[in-house]
Amino acid sequence: GQNIDQPTEMTATEGAIVQINCTYQTSGFNGLFWYQQHAGEAPTFLSYNVLDGLEEKGRFSSFLSRSKGYSYLLLKELQMKDSASYLCAVRGDNAGNMLTFGGGTRLMVKP
Amino acid sequence: SQTIHQWPATLVQPVGSPLSLECTVEGTSNPNLYWYRQAAGRGLQLLFYSIGIDQISSEVPQNLSASRPQDRQFILSSKKLLLSDSGFYLCAWIQPWDRANYGYTFGSGTRLTVV
Repeated sequence: GQNIDQPTEMTATEGAIVQINCTYQTSGFNGLFWYQQHAGEAPTFLSYNVLDGLEEKGRFSSFLSRSKGYSYLLLKELQMKDSASYLCAVRGDNAGNMLTFGGGTRLMVKP
Repeated sequence: SQTIHQWPATLVQPVGSPLSLECTVEGTSNPNLYWYRQAAGRGLQLLFYSIGIDQISSEVPQNLSASRPQDRQFILSSKKLLLSDSGFYLCAWIQPWDRANYGYTFGSGTRLTVV
């Protein structure tokens, strides 16, 4: 099975940097995804890591360590619109290619 | 371009009534399709997935069912809704053989309230 843990809530200040951690224990691994979800809306894709290391995409970066079962999402130059839930999800190595999601981290950006 | 449509956007249904939520994908063929449910303030729980027509796999026991009568159509149903069926239902798709398009795309979701 899959077990994915991330903090429930975080608060940060506009213009600052925030790191959202995710740890996972899985029976198989075929990639880790980060999604952003604003209240009442569907999740939107942010990043994908399948190899160890850092993937940078504008203000957002995602890091993966497969040996440690650990990932983080780094958000730089925070903006008020970044207030949302951030979902960590792991894809197993099964035929269905299903994603298993963590409970999500609700990020509140304050002025 | 590929698009995913999900309807209705919101639904209020009495306990014991039937349910039918529909999801269609355009611009691709043979996608993997998924139904997820999200309780308020919680993560996404996988309910069903399908890798082809009439091929449905269930992840959790419940009074819901899913069907895939056509390649790009995925339907979530219930004969009798329970209060615990309330939540935000999301359909998603992926083209597993497309290495350049590995991101799962979600529909806009259906907010179901059972009263």
